Amino acid sequence: KAGVTQTPRYLIKTRGQQVTLSCSPISGHRSVSWYQQTPGQGLQFLFEYFSETQRNKGNFPGRFSGRQFSNSRSEMNVSTLELGDSALYLCASSLEGRPADTQYFGPGTRLTVL
Amino acid sequence: LAKTTQPISMDSYEGQEVNITCSHNNIATNDYITWYQQFPSQGPRFIIQGYKTKVTNEVASLFIPADRKSSTLSLPRVSLSDTAVYYCPGEQDTGRRALTFGSGTRLQVQP
Repeated sequence: KAGVTQTPRYLIKTRGQQVTLSCSPISGHRSVSWYQQTPGQGLQFLFEYFSETQRNKGNFPGRFSGRQFSNSRSEMNVSTLELGDSALYLCASSLEGRPADTQYFGPGTRLTVL
Repeated sequence: LAKTTQPISMDSYEGQEVNITCSHNNIATNDYITWYQQFPSQGPRFIIQGYKTKVTNEVASLFIPADRKSSTLSLPRVSLSDTAVYYCPGEQDTGRRALTFGSGTRLQVQP
């Protein structure tokens, strides 16, 4: 079974631009979560989607948004990019996001903001 | 918020068994304990998950005492390729998979 895939793997943007990252979960998984990883803050939870609905949200500004499609694929968008948004963005999927459902992570998208 | 605590770093030699302990002080009744391994610039890789007692798979064992306030990841006979950061994230909200990662344990395996 294929793992979680994320596209693109690398991205370079300039301040003020916006960016959209894509995540395809493991087949059959309906819960998709997004995380940001930076050297200073470590791995931080952004939000979780299930059945096209955002169920949980971390402590990030409104510039960070996401959505989920009927096939469980998910996208996250960051508007008005800031230098501090440079990070590894990780997507994780699980069956239904229940406590017993293991989260499997994708390889990440490395975003660099210049 | 179920925050976890683990050692910042550990050193070992090839062929040794490594045990990494994590403290789960605020673990909720429904929470499971999961361990991940991460190499630089890659996503965390799932190692093992359990609820209580002992779980073993082809790469590791997980020991969870009855009070579930801690867990120990055991890696038998480590190799150089096991050099990585190991995480035991907590749950941000009970019943939801919003993992809270600490700084992890940086394991360095020497030849």
